[in-house]
Amino acid sequence: DIQMTQSPSSLSASVGDRVTITCRASQTINRHLNWYQQKDGKAPNLLIYAVSNLQTGVPPRFSGSGSGTDFTLTINSLQPEDFATYFCQQSFSTPRTFGQGTKLDIK
Amino acid sequence: QVQLVQSGADVKKPGASVEVSCKASGYSFNRESIHWVRQAPGQRPEWLGCINTGNGDTKYSQKFQGRVTMTGDTTATTVYMELRSLTSEDTAVYYCAREWAYDFWSPYLGGLDTIDPFDMWGQGTMVTVSS
Repeated sequence: DIQMTQSPSSLSASVGDRVTITCRASQTINRHLNWYQQKDGKAPNLLIYAVSNLQTGVPPRFSGSGSGTDFTLTINSLQPEDFATYFCQQSFSTPRTFGQGTKLDIK
Repeated sequence: QVQLVQSGADVKKPGASVEVSCKASGYSFNRESIHWVRQAPGQRPEWLGCINTGNGDTKYSQKFQGRVTMTGDTTATTVYMELRSLTSEDTAVYYCAREWAYDFWSPYLGGLDTIDPFDMWGQGTMVTVSS
């Protein structure tokens, strides 16, 4: 199974800040990397697919980058609605695996 | 409205089985596979498996092989996930999620590749296993 490791596990930031979350795969996944946002008590919501492609309706302050095994999610100018938990996920092979999550909260 | 609507919360005793349903609406049911993902409190999501709603083929995580069955009813546009021999470690929110294919340019292939993230999720079904 491909292991996905995120860092940090938690992050405190203020409205207007820029934050970066990293995700590392245990093997090359050829850009088959997705990011989801999850708010308390809700299902995950797809933000970015294939490393850097924004899902329809996702604001451009979200961006993704990376290659090989190392990937990042960046949120520019944090908005109040961005405080949530973020997961990376690989869809290169089954079982589909997720990172352990990064909880972003207000400083 | 394009959506997946799941059955309600359930409480089961250890050793029992649970079945969760997921009704799809607003899109062509037979086109996209449906996956099942569970999430224990404070944990990362965990993939259980998927069903091809077009031909009924299934693929299960090795962790759950022999204990999970996924089926689909094309007339009712509903998929079902049964998990057997429950223990307290199966207490979690269970989600169904639609797989959606996106094409993207791959530098590894030097051409188009296809990725299939989960673009739509059900609302989740809390399954509690307790004696």
